[in-house]
Amino acid sequence: AQSVTQLDSQVPVFEEAPVELRCNYSSSVSVYLFWYVQYPNQGLQLLLKYLSGSTLVKGINGFEAEFNKSQTSFHLRKPSVHISDTAEYFCAVSGGPSGGSQGNLIFGKGTKLSVKP
Amino acid sequence: DGGITQSPKYLFRKEGQNVTLSCEQNLNHDAMYWYRQDPGQGLRLIYYSQIVNDFQKGDIAEGYSVSREKKESFPLTVTSAQKNPTAFYLCASSKATSTDTQYFGPGTRLTVL
Repeated sequence: AQSVTQLDSQVPVFEEAPVELRCNYSSSVSVYLFWYVQYPNQGLQLLLKYLSGSTLVKGINGFEAEFNKSQTSFHLRKPSVHISDTAEYFCAVSGGPSGGSQGNLIFGKGTKLSVKP
Repeated sequence: DGGITQSPKYLFRKEGQNVTLSCEQNLNHDAMYWYRQDPGQGLRLIYYSQIVNDFQKGDIAEGYSVSREKKESFPLTVTSAQKNPTAFYLCASSKATSTDTQYFGPGTRLTVL
């Protein structure tokens, strides 16, 4: 069965500092990987996704993530954060091209990013 | 504007009552999903539907029911059998393949009094 581990439940960081939010997954099949952001009391919005090809994926709001198959990781990074990046970030995996229920997303428990002035 | 709407935003229920949460999308997506979100737990899948008149249980379907009579609509009923229904409920839709982005509604916060 697939699973997703977000190693940090909370990450405090100062404005303009770099940040990395860690995500590891377990799966015996090819996977697709996603990062979503959730602002307080709102739904989720896609930041970026990895389907195939280049392992470095660029998303919205200056975020990027790198797929590392050997380490089964998909860490999210931003070189310089803003106050407005304060939110909860979710890593998710789906079961790759096999489709059906394997296409459903499995979410990590989330990482709360708190950007301080 | 295309998107997903959920109503109401806040909902209060007395113990023992059934309550229905609305989810509507105008994105022409085939697949729709219901998730439950609890603090520190991430999102857990309740039910999903890949086509009209068909739906499947997710990981935590007990105490919930759904219908999919129209492509645009996927209402969720929280029944009195759900032991701990207080949570934030999120509806999503996608084009039904595993590569497609799921688009989320704004959520409904249900509180049982």
